[in-house]
Amino acid sequence: EAGVVQSPRYKIIEKKQPVAFWCNPISGHNTLYWYRQNLGQGPELLIRYENEEAVDDSQLPKDRFSAERLKGVDSTLKIQPAELGDSAVYLCASSLGGALAKNIQYFGAGTRLSVL
Amino acid sequence: AQSVTQLGSHVSVSEGALVLLRCNYSSSVPPYLFWYVQYPNQGLQLLLKYTTGATLVKGINGFEAEFKKSETSFHLTKPSAHMSDAAEYFCAVSFSGGYQKVTFGTGTKLQVIP
Repeated sequence: EAGVVQSPRYKIIEKKQPVAFWCNPISGHNTLYWYRQNLGQGPELLIRYENEEAVDDSQLPKDRFSAERLKGVDSTLKIQPAELGDSAVYLCASSLGGALAKNIQYFGAGTRLSVL
Repeated sequence: AQSVTQLGSHVSVSEGALVLLRCNYSSSVPPYLFWYVQYPNQGLQLLLKYTTGATLVKGINGFEAEFKKSETSFHLTKPSAHMSDAAEYFCAVSFSGGYQKVTFGTGTKLQVIP
C-alpha cells in the first residue's frame, strides 16, 4: 500500500514568489492534514480537511496561505507571496477520519522549502 | 490547553545502553499520548500510542512507554540502543471527546555512539 506522497521534496524560491505543494493521501483516508515544521520544532497544524471540507484552518495564515482539496482526495497548499519566515518543512498527513482523536496519522516525507 | 514538554533536545547514549526519552504532558482531561520517530529527511512514523487500558504500551522497534497519570508523564524507553535508533523523537498529546487536535512536543534528537 502506498503511503502519503508529497511533491516536490525540496523547493528553493526567492521571497515574494509563489509556491505550491502537493499531497496525495493514503487511499481511503478521509482526513488530511497540513503541518508546518520549523527547524528544531515539532509539527504545527495549519489546516485539517474532512473529505473536501476544511474543518480546522484556524492556524492557517490566510493572507498568504491557501489550500484546497478538490474531490476530497489530493490536496494543494499554496503560499503567495512567500516570505523569508516561511522557510520550513511542510508535512502532509492523513488518517481514516471521523471524530476519533486516537486515529493514527500517517505522514508524508515532507517538502523542504527554502525562501531566499 | 493541552501541551507536551520533552526534556532534553539532544540525548546521547552508547550502543547497547538504555534509552530514556522524557515527556510530560498537560491536559485537563484524560489524554491520548503518542510517540513518533522522524528519520532524517523523512516524515513522522508512529512508534506507539496510549489511549485507554494498559498503561505500559509496547511499540515498534523494541520501544515502550508507560503512562503515569500521577506524574503526568509518558517516557519512552528501550533497553538496548541500536545504531539504527538514531533519529528525532516527538511526543504528542490529544484527548478524547470528539475530534481533538494533536499537539506535538519540540522533539528529542537521539544520538547513538558506537
